[in-house]
Amino acid sequence: GNSVTQMEGPVTLSEEAFLTINCTYTATGYPSLFWYVQYPGEGLQLLLKATKADDKGSNKGFEATYRKETTSFHLEKGSVQVSDSAVYFCALSDNTDKLIFGTGTRLQVFP
Amino acid sequence: EAGVAQSPRYKIIEKRQSVAFWCNPISGHATLYWYQQILGQGPKLLIQFQNNGVVDDSQLPKDRFSAERLKGVDSTLKIQPAKLEDSAVYLCASSLSWEMSGNEQFFGPGTRLTVL
Repeated sequence: GNSVTQMEGPVTLSEEAFLTINCTYTATGYPSLFWYVQYPGEGLQLLLKATKADDKGSNKGFEATYRKETTSFHLEKGSVQVSDSAVYFCALSDNTDKLIFGTGTRLQVFP
Repeated sequence: EAGVAQSPRYKIIEKRQSVAFWCNPISGHATLYWYQQILGQGPKLLIQFQNNGVVDDSQLPKDRFSAERLKGVDSTLKIQPAKLEDSAVYLCASSLSWEMSGNEQFFGPGTRLTVL
């Protein structure tokens, strides 16, 4: 069945450091890929998405590219801020729009 | 635009008791989802509605969980009787329609259930 694997956390970085959170997926067909973020005390929010191979999703300085050849959708940001501290979830959706999530990666950014 | 509303935000019950959660989706959203998020894991879909019909309930433990979406708007999720392993955050989400590829789902704040 479809599944998502993402790197375990926590990821601890200093402010202005480069961020990569790895995400790989297993799916039949051509899923859409998403990154959701959960800030402390808040609900899940869509951060970015890509719906076909080679698409790049971007938002708030974060980027991720849909790589079909490596079945990956790694999240990157060039310079993190303390306010980026949150839990990040990689997810895919199939043709029924059901979201399948990874286990989440907690990011902690220190000044 | 108002977001997805859920209540209660927190609930503590003893095992074998029953509990119900309520969700009000974004106005005009046809599709409604209930997810279960156990601590340290990603959300897992329990049930998906399109208007007032069920699209997918394959992961819903039907011996104890039930859900309805009367009139295709609000929804309730019920657990009866609760077990210790039901302790989790229950998330409600909505989207315009599941038939749109790459559709964004909007999540509510969740209900944190603790079963003692």
